[in-house]
Amino acid sequence: QVQLQASGPGLVKPSQTLSLTCTVSGGSISSGGYFWSWIRHLPGKGLEWVGYIFDSGTTSYNPSLKSRITMSVDTSENQFSLKLTSVTAADTAVYYCARLPLSWNEGFDPWGQGTLVTVSS
Amino acid sequence: DIQMTQSPSSVSASVGDRVTITCRASQGIGSWLVWYQQRPGKAPKLLIYAASSLQSGVPSRFSGSGSGTDFTLTIRSLQPEDFATYYCQQANSFPLTFGGGTKVEIK
Repeated sequence: QVQLQASGPGLVKPSQTLSLTCTVSGGSISSGGYFWSWIRHLPGKGLEWVGYIFDSGTTSYNPSLKSRITMSVDTSENQFSLKLTSVTAADTAVYYCARLPLSWNEGFDPWGQGTLVTVSS
Repeated sequence: DIQMTQSPSSVSASVGDRVTITCRASQGIGSWLVWYQQRPGKAPKLLIYAASSLQSGVPSRFSGSGSGTDFTLTIRSLQPEDFATYYCQQANSFPLTFGGGTKVEIK
């Protein structure tokens, strides 16, 4: 079965760039049929969809973050990545990667374990 | 963006109880509503999609209903492993948005 695991620095300084990678195992990113997604859980504010990338590189981002996000995919490594620039304390969150089927109204499944990113000097 | 509002924010219940959680969308979303369960320290798990379709492997004591703007998640006969936080998510349009969560606690 497909498993996802997010990884990256747990501490990022304000104004710097947050960089995370999600490694997919048990299946190929290139198999098609899925949007590879990032979701974050903001403390005290709930879950927020960040964006997705298709294996072709096509992306869709949350408009609230669009100016600061870049997502990329490395099919040879079976990974996809997130970069968020100019971070502030408001970007402190647990970041999850998850798979969303092309019939995206079926929900995110599975989710990776999540990685806590704290923005602080 | 479509706003999703869950109620209550928390509920105390005992093993064997029936629990109902409500999710309201700020505009009609048809049946495009998803429910997740999140246990402490774990990632969210998909329970129900399309408002009432049970994800494979999810116990039948979980059920969902509703359409348009009002939806419910019902847990029939609460089990110890069901004490968790539950989230709804609209799957009608991007950006996909989530409810604030309902924590089911032990009474």
